[in-house]
Amino acid sequence: GENVEQHPSTLSVQEGDSAVIKCTYSDSASNYFPWYKQELGKRPQLIIDIRSNVGEKKDQRIAVTLNKTAKHFSLHITETQPEDSAVYFCAATLKAAGNKLTFGGGTRVLVKP
Amino acid sequence: GAVVSQHPSRVICKSGTSVKIECRSLDFQATTMFWYRQFPKQSLMLMATSNEGSKATYEQGVEKDKFLINHASLTLSTLTVTSAHPEDSSFYICSARDAGTNQETQYFGPGTRLLVL
Repeated sequence: GENVEQHPSTLSVQEGDSAVIKCTYSDSASNYFPWYKQELGKRPQLIIDIRSNVGEKKDQRIAVTLNKTAKHFSLHITETQPEDSAVYFCAATLKAAGNKLTFGGGTRVLVKP
Repeated sequence: GAVVSQHPSRVICKSGTSVKIECRSLDFQATTMFWYRQFPKQSLMLMATSNEGSKATYEQGVEKDKFLINHASLTLSTLTVTSAHPEDSSFYICSARDAGTNQETQYFGPGTRLLVL
């Protein structure tokens, strides 16, 4: 089955700096890659997603890039703010497997004011 | 946007009892819902896929007789933890896909924190 690796596990940045989280996946047939933000004790919230036919997608301060050849995708957060502090999860899904999401291990991001 | 609710949000029970958790899609129909378990400081682990009108599909290592899933309508799936034990204490989260639109995006419920004494 699919395996998703996520790095780093923790990330501390100064307010205003950029944060980058990287994920790799194992199944080349995976076709949808969402990113979720989860605050303590709350539900994961979709912040951005990308499909396999697109290389890059941006939404204000958040961008995601996908390299299908290398089987990795990254989340970029620019001009970080304290409210960006949370745990971020990448995931990959394979339509042929019923669109089940396989999650990475998570990255705990701390934005220091 | 698509809203998924869960009930209860928190439950404390004695060892050996059964606990039922409900997952509802409030403004869309969901032929497929997913149940996850999340231990503290860990990622979400898929337990099973709930299919409306048919049997759930369980992930390897998840006991189907212990975690009973029923998806009787297009807006409701239930997870029953039978004969709960302290090791079942966890954060249980459901998600649902909107059958009418984008099939890949999953919308998550707020989660149910289960504590078994």
